[in-house]
This record gives sequence, structure tokens and C-alpha cells, in this order.
Amino acid sequence: NAGVMQNPRHLVRRRGQEARLRCSPMKGHSHVYWYRQLPEEGLKFMVYLQKENIIDESGMPKERFSAEFPKEGPSILRIQQVVRGDSAAYFCASSPRQVEDQPQHFGDGTRLSIL
Amino acid sequence: DAKTTQPPSMDCAEGRAANLPCNHSTISGNEYVYWYRQIHSQGPQYIIHGLKNNETNEMASLIITEDRKSSTLILPHATLRDTAVYYCIVRATLGGGAQKLVFGQGTRLTINP
Repeated sequence: NAGVMQNPRHLVRRRGQEARLRCSPMKGHSHVYWYRQLPEEGLKFMVYLQKENIIDESGMPKERFSAEFPKEGPSILRIQQVVRGDSAAYFCASSPRQVEDQPQHFGDGTRLSIL
Repeated sequence: DAKTTQPPSMDCAEGRAANLPCNHSTISGNEYVYWYRQIHSQGPQYIIHGLKNNETNEMASLIITEDRKSSTLILPHATLRDTAVYYCIVRATLGGGAQKLVFGQGTRLTINP
């Protein structure tokens, strides 16, 4: 049973470019969560999505960041006009249902570096 | 969100039991305690969770006090591969019934040979 798959594992962008991070949840999971980890810090929640719906984006920066989880295909976290401060590890997690006794399972992340 | 307090670091000898404490004195009645760990450069790995009763799985045991204000994660026979940052998390509730995980600084556990 494949786990949460994220790609690319490493992404390098220059300031002003766009970054697209992909996340395929575990089989049978329809709930996706994105987290960001800045260097030497803990993970911070960004957004929670179900298929074709954003449920909670309270942790997303107001500008330049967007997320989607289409009916078909992976979830995408998109960062426009990247800046140095966007350099971080971005983790995706998934769960089968939205109940508190279902653990979220994480992928190994995308490490974004901004030159 | 209920807050958790963990020691910043701990050491344990290989082969011994590692006992990681966590305080969560403001936990509410329907909030679960979750434990994850993060080995360097990897994503967080789910370990175990519980509500009121003690829990055990193939990785660890979770002991929750009767008043639910604290808990202890026990790795019964620690190996070098258990060296990681361990996070104790009380699950918050989002609107719509789903939850986000609020990560603190965790405990950096070092297993020594």
C-alpha cells in the first residue's frame, strides 16, 4: 500500500518564479492537509482540502499561495512570485475521514529552495 | 487549541526503555493525544494515539493519566533508529469536524550506543 507521495522531493526556484508542489494521498484517502516547516522550526498547518473543496485555509499566507485538490489527480500547492522566505520543507498529509481518531499520514515532503 | 509541554531533549541508552513525558493540562474531554516523530529530513511518522485508556501497538505504548492532564510515550527497547524529534499533539478541531495538527517544538530524543 503506497504511502503519501510528494514530488518533487527537491525544488529550486529563483525569486519571482512559480513553484508547484504535488501530493498524491494514500489510496482511499480523500482528505489532504498541507504543512510548512521553516528551518529549525516545527510544522505549521497551512490548508485542509477535500476533493474539489477547500475546507480550512486559515494557515495559508493571504497572497501568492493557493491550493487545490481536483476530482482527478494530485493535490497542488502553488506559490507564485516566490521570495527567499518561502524556502522551507512543505509536507502533505492525508486521512481517510474527518474524525479525530483517524491519524494523518505524512509524505516525505518537498524541500523548496529559493535562490 | 490545547497546549502541550515537552522537555526539549532527552537521552536514552540503546536497549533501554525510553519514556517521553508530555503535559497537556488544558485538554478537553473529546480531544485525543497523538504522538508523531520526525527523523531528520523525513516526514512526520505517526506512532500512536489515545483518548482515555492506555494504548499499545507494535511501535510504542501510550500511558495517559486518569485526569488526562499528562501522558507518557514509552519505546520499550530503544534502538539507534529511534533517534528523532518526538511530538506530542492534542488534536484541535476545525470547522466541519476535521482537525489540524498543532506541532510544538517536541523532544529531541537521542539514543546512545
